[in-house]
This record gives sequence, structure tokens and C-alpha cells, in this order.
Amino acid sequence: QVQLVESGGGVVQPGGSLRLSCAASGFTFSSYGMHWVRQAPGKGLEWVAFIRYDGSNKYYADSVKGRFTISRDNSKNTLYLQMNSLRAEDTAVYYCAKDPCSSGGSCYLFDYWGQGTLVTVSS
Amino acid sequence: DIQLTQSPSFLSASVGDRVTITCRASQGISSYLAWYQQKPGKAPKLLIYAASTLQSGVPSRFSGSGSGTEFTLTISSLQPEDFATYYCQQLNSYPITFGQGTRLEIK
Repeated sequence: QVQLVESGGGVVQPGGSLRLSCAASGFTFSSYGMHWVRQAPGKGLEWVAFIRYDGSNKYYADSVKGRFTISRDNSKNTLYLQMNSLRAEDTAVYYCAKDPCSSGGSCYLFDYWGQGTLVTVSS
Repeated sequence: DIQLTQSPSFLSASVGDRVTITCRASQGISSYLAWYQQKPGKAPKLLIYAASTLQSGVPSRFSGSGSGTEFTLTISSLQPEDFATYYCQQLNSYPITFGQGTRLEIK
């Protein structure tokens, strides 16, 4: 069965950096696009970034463009989110999510989600 | 960016009720809309995509309809496990956007 397990969350000061990881299993990771989606405490869902199955294309929300970088290591079945210049408004649970479209573009959809990892930006 | 507006934001209903949630898009998105259910402390779960296609394993009491700018999610007979927050999401283009959510609570 598909499993996505995020890690790397924690408390960081404004302006700091953090790298999130998402370990995938139960499917052919190298064939699917992957997303990061976040949810601020008590708020709704916000899409953050997408990476194509082979890493060749990446898309970002305007709110994180230039500060966050999505990447993947298909040999390790792992997705990453490097977060720099963190702000208080980046405080959220970060979910990795699988896109159902394989070996091509994005379906712009999330068919499996991890349990999330909490990032708190505070001094 | 495509804005999605859900109504109502809060809904109180009883077990066995039929409920409908509406999602309006700021521009036409054909049938490129999905619905998710989220329970407290849990990740969202995909219910419906392409406006009306039920995700595998989702009970048939859930249904979706609509196209263009207006969409609905209907639960035909509420069960205790359906009390949750529901989000719509557009699949038309990046950036992917969500509605603000509809919280469904027990009356």
C-alpha cells in the first residue's frame, strides 16, 4: 500500500532554514509527480510546490517562490522541500502528496497524502 | 489565479440528512474540480475528481456535479463518520487552489 512519511519539521527562527523529507513506499516513486501542500493552524489548505516524476519541471506558489525549493532523489524514493528565509506565515503542517498521473505531466490532483510534519517559525 | 468560493462555510446537520455543498470558481474550469474530506488531525482524503468521478473506495452516498463555474458535492444520507471539513480544489491550472472549506457538524 502507498505510504508517505514526512519528517524534518520543527521550530525555527524567522529568517532560518529547514529541509523537509518525504519517504515514499508502496508505489513506483520514480514514475509519479509529487506535491507539497501546507495548512496553517486552524486554516485551509494551500498548495506549495510540484515536481515532475523525473525532476525536470517544478512549479511553486507565489508565496514561496524564490525561497523554497522542491527536489527529489528517485534512487532513495524521497521527496524534499528546502525552505529558506522562513517567515511567521510559513508556520503550518506540511504534507507531501502523490499526483496520480505517471510518467508525464501533472493531474493537478492529490490521491495519497502523508500524515504531515509541523513547521513553526517563531523567535 | 483561480479563486474558489465554497458555501456554506459551516453546516449543521443530522445523521440521515441530505446535504449539499457548493463551490464557485472565479472563471470557467470545465470539469476540472475535486473534493476532499478532512477530519481533525488527519490528512485530507480525495473523494471526487473530474467534478463527478468517485475515487476508488469512496461510498456511493457521495456524489459530485457541475461544470464551468458552479459545482456541488452532495451526501445523500449523512453517516456519523461524514462529519468533517470538505474542500474543493481546481485541477485546471497552476497555481492549484482550494476553496476555504465547509465544516460539517452534527446538529
